[in-house]
Amino acid sequence: DQQVKQNSPSLSVQEGRISILNCDYTNSMFDYFLWYKKYPAEGPTFLISISSIKDKNEDGRFTVFLNKSAKHLSLHIVPSQPGDSAVYFCAASGDDKIIFGKGTRLHILP
Amino acid sequence: DTGVSQDPRHKITKRGQNVTFRCDPISEHNRLYWYRQTLGQGPEFLTYFQNEAQLEKSRLLSDRFSAERPKGSFSTLEIQRTEQGDSAMYLCASSRGTGVHFGPGTRLLVL
Repeated sequence: DQQVKQNSPSLSVQEGRISILNCDYTNSMFDYFLWYKKYPAEGPTFLISISSIKDKNEDGRFTVFLNKSAKHLSLHIVPSQPGDSAVYFCAASGDDKIIFGKGTRLHILP
Repeated sequence: DTGVSQDPRHKITKRGQNVTFRCDPISEHNRLYWYRQTLGQGPEFLTYFQNEAQLEKSRLLSDRFSAERPKGSFSTLEIQRTEQGDSAMYLCASSRGTGVHFGPGTRLLVL
């Protein structure tokens, strides 16, 4: 039973364009959501988070949107840069532990 | 202190051997987590500590696995009688509040 789902295993985006990574969750008790970026052979790096009391959080090129009624969140990266190529994990928390999705591999094309 | 550190970064062992990994969290982070990641999957929760108390263990953590955080600072994860299915990246993370920061991981290969 996967509580956090990232249905796109991979995504290719042209450099300079907007990258949109999507995530769905099933547990309505989740109240905090995070996005992590991971390069090969490294641990996940925290990118941005959002509390369930908000619907948007922005940090530089990264914006996370939360739609609680749809149990959906998305990460927007604009403009996309070559260094953004990595695996992105969506994660959710509701009781101190964090549940991760399977990740989306983002390729930024030159 | 630049972040969560883990030692060793890589470990190759033979099936049946015991291995122990160490995690040093960010100073003053009271929560410490262990996760496991296999190819094509997201990190899977194993266990977590609040200070020295182990508060939750996943059913993924069989009786061959044991984790400790004796003084509420560093933590160790021991796997006894390793099996080939234990091959994975073992990730440690720490937090104080809502931000959870991961270490670089220990990649385990069981031959």
